[in-house]
Amino acid sequence: EVQLVESGGGLVKPGGSLRLSCAASGFTFSSYSMNWVRQAPGKGLEWVSSISSSSSYIYYADSVKGRFTISRDNAKNSLYLQMNSLRAEDTAVYYCARVDRRYYYMDVWGKGTTVTVSS
Amino acid sequence: SYVLTQPPSVSVAPGQTARITCGGNNIGSKSVHWYQQKPGQAPVLVVYDDSDRPSGIPERFSGSNSGNTATLTISRVEAGDEADYYCQVWDSSSDHPYVFGTGTKVTVL
Repeated sequence: EVQLVESGGGLVKPGGSLRLSCAASGFTFSSYSMNWVRQAPGKGLEWVSSISSSSSYIYYADSVKGRFTISRDNAKNSLYLQMNSLRAEDTAVYYCARVDRRYYYMDVWGKGTTVTVSS
Repeated sequence: SYVLTQPPSVSVAPGQTARITCGGNNIGSKSVHWYQQKPGQAPVLVVYDDSDRPSGIPERFSGSNSGNTATLTISRVEAGDEADYYCQVWDSSSDHPYVFGTGTKVTVL
């Protein structure tokens, strides 16, 4: 079964750091680009960051650029998001998603992990 | 960066047809994808590349795309279709290539 499982969310103070992980299974992880997408409470979906299959291409939303770092370990079938200098507005459910290689849609999603930034 | 605009809400009676629009500059030149998200759940892809359906998605879900507007159509609406719907495109010319629409809440009356 194709599956993505996020972990690492939690409560953190403003200015703090957190590292999210996404464990992939059931498909050849190293062949796919991967995304992080977040959703603040009561808000819409926001693309956060993207990494290509070999980590050659990395993109960030302006809202997280310079604070978040996306990475992957293809040997471990894992995707990561290092989040530093966290702000209250980073509070959200964070999803990892697999990206289709031709049309760039997200066809597999994890259930999400919740990040709460609060003092 | 590229902007996608959706109506905040659409209401439809059971058995009728719901149409959700997604507006963007010359969106007809892009490939548009649609996601359904129910409360407390992750998004689910319901239409990709304007009008194709993933396996397991009912034929009641269809899409079209032309000019400055893409449309997701849900025929013979059921209570279970009540959800938020988001369009998405990939903007190849941007450093922010993945763009989501603002989202539309579909309410089944």
